[in-house]
Amino acid sequence: GNSVTQMEGPVTLSEEAFLTINCTYTATGYPSLFWYVQYPGEGLQLLLKATKADDKGSNKGFEATYRKETTSFHLEKGSVQVSDSAVYFCALSDNSGNTGKLIFGQGTTLQVKP
Amino acid sequence: DTAVSQTPKYLVTQMGNDKSIKCEQNLGHDTMYWYKQDSKKFLKIMFSYNNKELIINETVPNRFSPKSPDKAHLNLHINSLELGDSAVYFCASSQGTPRSGNTIYFGEGSWLTVV
Repeated sequence: GNSVTQMEGPVTLSEEAFLTINCTYTATGYPSLFWYVQYPGEGLQLLLKATKADDKGSNKGFEATYRKETTSFHLEKGSVQVSDSAVYFCALSDNSGNTGKLIFGQGTTLQVKP
Repeated sequence: DTAVSQTPKYLVTQMGNDKSIKCEQNLGHDTMYWYKQDSKKFLKIMFSYNNKELIINETVPNRFSPKSPDKAHLNLHINSLELGDSAVYFCASSQGTPRSGNTIYFGEGSWLTVV
């Protein structure tokens, strides 16, 4: 079945460091790919998304490119801030059948230290 | 003007009790969901409704029963609560499904603790 795998956390970085959170997926067909962020005590918010191969999603300095050849959607940011500390979820739309549900990876906790 | 609101935010209850979580969205979306997040932060879909019709019903115990009185509301009722039901339950909504890249909007979650 369709699935998403993210790198294990927690990821601990100093402020202004470069961030990469790896995400790979297994899917039939052509899913849409998403990154969601969950700040402490809050719900999930969409960070960015891409709907077809080679699309790049970007928001708030974060970027991710839909790579069909490597089935990846890695999240990057050039310079992280303390306020970026959160749990990041990679997800894909399961387009098998007619329901198109969202399947999440296990989440990666990011801790940014001043 | 919260887009997806759910109540209560925190709920502590004893084993065997019956409880409900309510959800409302003011985005005009036609699809609503319940997701469960366990203690390891893993998120899994439980149910989805499209225009008040159940379209996704994952492997969830019969003790969990969703109800959608209209497109803007999706409630979750849980009977005979067990310790393992302790989790965060997220309501969410979207216009259409995510298969075409439609964004799912989440509520802030309901923290359920069964003691």
